[in-house]
Amino acid sequence: DSGVTQTPKHLITATGQRVTLRCSPRSGDLSVYWYQQSLDQGLQFLIQYYNGEERAKGNILERFSAQQFPDLHSELNLSSLELGDSALYFCASSPQLGTEAFFGQGTRLTVV
Amino acid sequence: DQQVKQNSPSLSVQEGRISILNCDYTNSMFDYFLWYKKYPAEGPTFLISISSIKDKNEDGRFTVFLNKSAKHLSLHIVPSQPGDSAVYFCAARLYGGATNKLIFGTGTLLAVQP
Repeated sequence: DSGVTQTPKHLITATGQRVTLRCSPRSGDLSVYWYQQSLDQGLQFLIQYYNGEERAKGNILERFSAQQFPDLHSELNLSSLELGDSALYFCASSPQLGTEAFFGQGTRLTVV
Repeated sequence: DQQVKQNSPSLSVQEGRISILNCDYTNSMFDYFLWYKKYPAEGPTFLISISSIKDKNEDGRFTVFLNKSAKHLSLHIVPSQPGDSAVYFCAARLYGGATNKLIFGTGTLLAVQP
């Protein structure tokens, strides 16, 4: 158990809908990362927050947004969903910028 | 632009032998490299890392080698065990002061045959 909690574990939704994925980092970790893993793809970096502030952006679509709250949990919002958004979404946390990141078990999103 | 590449999608090794997983990178600004292991239906688990100022780091059965001139790193597992069967991801840290990213390769599926 990495200490990073992601909910829900599975999500099935229709195209055009909006969903919110939730992540609780390890106790004391200030940095939260979001990654997307599509079929046969590596882990694509989406976005990073550190202590509530956005610090780095990767290949995150404009339809996607994220935030980190004062209690350090983070949410990834995916809107106007398309079939191609079906993927595993991982959250990771680390105690400071750029050190080893500890991953949650992921949320499997299926868009039908 | 895939800055971290794992060109072998899969590798099969006999139990007790050495497993060598390879990773190439293109960005000379990476300052830290990590290996993660991932079982199905689980998140990636940190395995071992190496700073760009070193060329070798060892932890039990796992050793990571870094060749900066070739922009290449490898993970050696000796001896390989069936429980090592998993997907292995290579990752590199792009340090930018206030911003840091971990960039991952596409992974190599290791199968250790009993």
